[in-house]
Amino acid sequence: NAGVMQNPRHLVRRRGQEARLRCSPMKGHSHVYWYRQLPEEGLKFMVYLQKENIIDESGMPKERFSAEFPKEGPSILRIQQVVRGDSAAYFCASSPEVHSYNEQFFGPGTRLTVL
Amino acid sequence: QQPVQSPQAVILREGEDAVINCSSSKALYSVHWYRQKHGEAPVFLMILLKGGEQKGHEKISASFNEKKQQSSLYLTASQLSYSGTYFCGTERGQGAQKLVFGQGTRLTINP
Repeated sequence: NAGVMQNPRHLVRRRGQEARLRCSPMKGHSHVYWYRQLPEEGLKFMVYLQKENIIDESGMPKERFSAEFPKEGPSILRIQQVVRGDSAAYFCASSPEVHSYNEQFFGPGTRLTVL
Repeated sequence: QQPVQSPQAVILREGEDAVINCSSSKALYSVHWYRQKHGEAPVFLMILLKGGEQKGHEKISASFNEKKQQSSLYLTASQLSYSGTYFCGTERGQGAQKLVFGQGTRLTINP
């Protein structure tokens, strides 16, 4: 059973370009979470999605950031007009259908560098 | 709202024990523990629920004091592979929810 997959693993963009980060959850998982981690810091929640729905986007910056989880295909985190402050590791995690234990399993992350 | 972890860093010799603490000012439903090695993804270790249920690795033990909103992770007879940064993540309610993570505790195990 493959784990959570993310690609690309490393992404370099110049200021003003767009970044697209993809996340395929574990098989059988329908909940996807995106977290951002700055160097030497903890993980900060960004957005929680189920198929075709955004459930909680309280951690998403109001501008330039968007996320989707279509019926078919991976979840996408999109950052428009990137700035240097967007440089970070972006992790997605997935969890199975809701039950008592909301175990979240993390992907390897995408390390975004903005030049 | 972010839970507070202590200590921030700890250095041990192989075979020694360590306790990592996580405290929240808010009522919690669950506490999750993860270990992250440099440049890698966080790896799930354990989840503790309000009411006493828990699920995780056999070699890892932890406690959750619901009244104090505190959790502790116990690492006994530490091995070199235990090195990394440990994060606690907290949930306020039942069901699929975001995790709010502490700032991390860096554990270094020396031979």
